[in-house]
Amino acid sequence: AQTVTQSQPEMSVQEAETVTLSCTYDTSESDYYLFWYKQPPSRQMILVIRQEAYKQQNATENRFSVNFQKAAKSFSLKISDSQLGDAAMYFCAYRSFFNRDDKIIFGKGTRLHILP
Amino acid sequence: SQTIHQWPATLVQPVGSPLSLECTVEGTSNPNLYWYRQAAGRGLQLLFYSVGIGQISSEVPQNLSASRPQDRQFILSSKKLLLSDSGFYLCASPGGAQGSGNTIYFGEGSWLTVV
Repeated sequence: AQTVTQSQPEMSVQEAETVTLSCTYDTSESDYYLFWYKQPPSRQMILVIRQEAYKQQNATENRFSVNFQKAAKSFSLKISDSQLGDAAMYFCAYRSFFNRDDKIIFGKGTRLHILP
Repeated sequence: SQTIHQWPATLVQPVGSPLSLECTVEGTSNPNLYWYRQAAGRGLQLLFYSVGIGQISSEVPQNLSASRPQDRQFILSSKKLLLSDSGFYLCASPGGAQGSGNTIYFGEGSWLTVV
């Protein structure tokens, strides 16, 4: 069964600095999607970035980028130039690519604090 | 894109009372649907998922149940609530046709407090 592990329950970073959130996963499949979602205090789930496993190039969205290491089953999120609005819970998620009877699995989350 | 509606948004229920949370999806047909629970300050726990009408898979044995009476309707229920059922419940669905689910849509969530 697929699992997603976020080993950092909480992290803090100084405003304008760079921080990396880690995520590892376990799967026997070769094709899948990986996501990072942000959950601010409002509890709304906001898509930060996504990566298709068949793409070797790491996804980038403005200040957010990932380091996708397929062989190591690692999918870390780098936030550059951290801003106060980045403070939130961040979830890593896995979704099977082809399996109709699929599950979307989330990690336990990392709470990110931004220090002014 | 699709939209997911959940209701009620907030409810306070006594222990032992029944529960019904409803989720409906717009903008797609035959979606996969998921119920997650988030306890205070914790991660998203997958409770149930459904790939079609009447098809429910349970991930965590508990006093909750789910039903899918219509293609775009997913209901979470309980006959007798426990204190441990308190939490934030999210309904979710991947976007796109089968094999192209490159995003995950979420409802607004339902806050349940069991007292």
